[in-house]
Amino acid sequence: DVKVTQSSRYLVKRTGEKVFLECVQDMDHENMFWYRQDPGLGLRLIYFSYDVKMKEKGDIPEGYSVSREKKERFSLILESASTNQTSMYLCASSDGRPYNEQFFGPGTRLTVL
Amino acid sequence: KNEVEQSPQNLTAQEGEFITINCSYSVGISALHWLQQHPGGGIVSLFMLSSGKKKHGRLIATINIQEKHSSLHITASHPRDSAVYICAVRQGAQKLVFGQGTRLTINP
Repeated sequence: DVKVTQSSRYLVKRTGEKVFLECVQDMDHENMFWYRQDPGLGLRLIYFSYDVKMKEKGDIPEGYSVSREKKERFSLILESASTNQTSMYLCASSDGRPYNEQFFGPGTRLTVL
Repeated sequence: KNEVEQSPQNLTAQEGEFITINCSYSVGISALHWLQQHPGGGIVSLFMLSSGKKKHGRLIATINIQEKHSSLHITASHPRDSAVYICAVRQGAQKLVFGQGTRLTINP
């Protein structure tokens, strides 16, 4: 079974803090994704990566950056957290074949005070 | 208007009822996914389809490409089916666009 893990299930941070969300997958997948999920808006893509050190902006990249130094790990960075970044963050991974399934992590519920 | 619209947004039913959740989309797609999200956040894939109909146990998914519409049906619903069901359309090889989700509650 594919396993996608995220470093924290719940996180509380203060405005202005730098926040790191970590995602690790164990299936040697090429593609990794970061989404945020908000009520009424569904999941929205923040960034994705199709290879080590490669990244592409999604639909809402403002205020976020990412890092992929190793194939199994994809980090989402909030350089200076703001209250409007309070959300559920979900990581996903998929292999390199087109039209394939994405496997999701359990999510991190981030609250920025 | 969202590119992917689900209806209803919330649905409460009694155990045993036949459930239908609808998904309409306004963009060209290469495939459509139905996903399930239980309380606590984890999302699992139920179906991926690009035409016709698929069945897995008590779940059935259909898609009409010409009408840009898909339905997810649950037969003989059970309280353990209570979850958020999410429709997502695939644009190109990798990008998914998600609907807002339908929160289903099945009462015993």
